[in-house]
Amino acid sequence: NAGVMQNPRHLVRRRGQEARLRCSPMKGHSHVYWYRQLPEEGLKFMVYLQKENIIDESGMPKERFSAEFPKEGPSILRIQQVVRGDSAAYFCASSRSGDHEQYFGPGTRLTVT
Amino acid sequence: KQEVTQIPAALSVPEGENLVLNCSFTDSAIYNLQWFRQDPGKGLTSLLLIQSSQREQTSGRLNASLDKSSGRSTLYIAASQPGDSATYLCAVERPRSMKTSYDKVIFGPGTSLSVIP
Repeated sequence: NAGVMQNPRHLVRRRGQEARLRCSPMKGHSHVYWYRQLPEEGLKFMVYLQKENIIDESGMPKERFSAEFPKEGPSILRIQQVVRGDSAAYFCASSRSGDHEQYFGPGTRLTVT
Repeated sequence: KQEVTQIPAALSVPEGENLVLNCSFTDSAIYNLQWFRQDPGKGLTSLLLIQSSQREQTSGRLNASLDKSSGRSTLYIAASQPGDSATYLCAVERPRSMKTSYDKVIFGPGTSLSVIP
């Protein structure tokens, strides 16, 4: 059973471009969570999704950021018009429905130049 | 608002020592508490998860305790090894029935552990 997969592992974007981060949950997991780890800071919750539904996006910036978890395919975290302050490690986690233990992916390190 | 702190921020010990990492949280209304390990440039590895009704969990050389009333958890590592060198994070999850405007899962800032051969 493969773990949580994230791609790309490293992403470089110039200011103003779009960044798309993908997360494939563990097999059998229907809950996905996105976290951001800024340099020298701890992990911060961004958004919690179930298939086709955003359950809690209270940690996500109101502008430029969006997330989805379609019925088929990976969860996508999309950042439009990236700025240098978006440079961070973005982690995805998944859990089985009704099971609160979260399993984390290796993260995507976004660098905005 | 739930806040999670970890002491110490960094710790360096000789190989073979037993050590304790501390985690404190301000709101005792938690669903569970989880300890993670993060290696430099890598993702998170879950070490132990303690449900709010439990007092401790053990896995190999690791033992985590939870005292909700005092808002504390400790991670005990026995007979430390150089391979234990990493950052250790604790995270608390609020009950999902609670509606708030802040983070659902709160991570502490981590303790950076270095085990010297």
